[in-house]
Amino acid sequence: DAEITQSPRHKITETGRQVTLACHQTWNHNNMFWYRQDLGHGLRLIHYSYGVQDTNKGEVSDGYSVSRSNTEDLPLTLESAASSQTSVYFCASTQLRLVGETQYFGPGTRLLVL
Amino acid sequence: AQTVTQSQPEMSVQEAETVTLSCTYDTSESNYYLFWYKQPPSRQMILVIRQEAYKQQNATENRFSVNFQKAAKSFSLKISDSQLGDTAMYFCAFIYVQGAQKLVFGQGTRLTINP
Repeated sequence: DAEITQSPRHKITETGRQVTLACHQTWNHNNMFWYRQDLGHGLRLIHYSYGVQDTNKGEVSDGYSVSRSNTEDLPLTLESAASSQTSVYFCASTQLRLVGETQYFGPGTRLLVL
Repeated sequence: AQTVTQSQPEMSVQEAETVTLSCTYDTSESNYYLFWYKQPPSRQMILVIRQEAYKQQNATENRFSVNFQKAAKSFSLKISDSQLGDTAMYFCAFIYVQGAQKLVFGQGTRLTINP
């Protein structure tokens, strides 16, 4: 079955280190998204991509970057991890750029920055 | 700015009861979509129900239904005959046409179904 996976599921790192979170989907969806989830804030959009070589900043993009070299993957990189980036990170995808199309979410990655 | 507000941080009901979760949103847009997502302890985000703003008829999915009041900018979720498996965080979310696929989420309501 087609799916969207994230790795690692749990990660502990130190302040200042570079960290990359992987997102891989097998639906061949064009559109992919990264969110972070924090208490009291729901989910907030970090970056998104509408296709290969396309990337866009979301609501809380500072300190994060993404790259899209193929359809299946959208890795999220924390250039220099900060304690404020301790959070749960979700990747999501959709096929079409139709407003209102349902987003399919991965299982999440819990990141702790010490 | 588009915002979504869920005023009930936590709710608790007995199994088989009906429960309603509240959601209000603020937008100047006229064409948009609203969603309810469920997040069980597994942390997976699962779509519960979807409503198009241009449709007057309230969406339903089995035991889940919404009360969409466009003028009041209200979008509540009703769960009938609640089950233990309904225990989860519930998030209301919003997409507007100009925002393409960018979901805006509320803070969430933690719902506990007690046996």
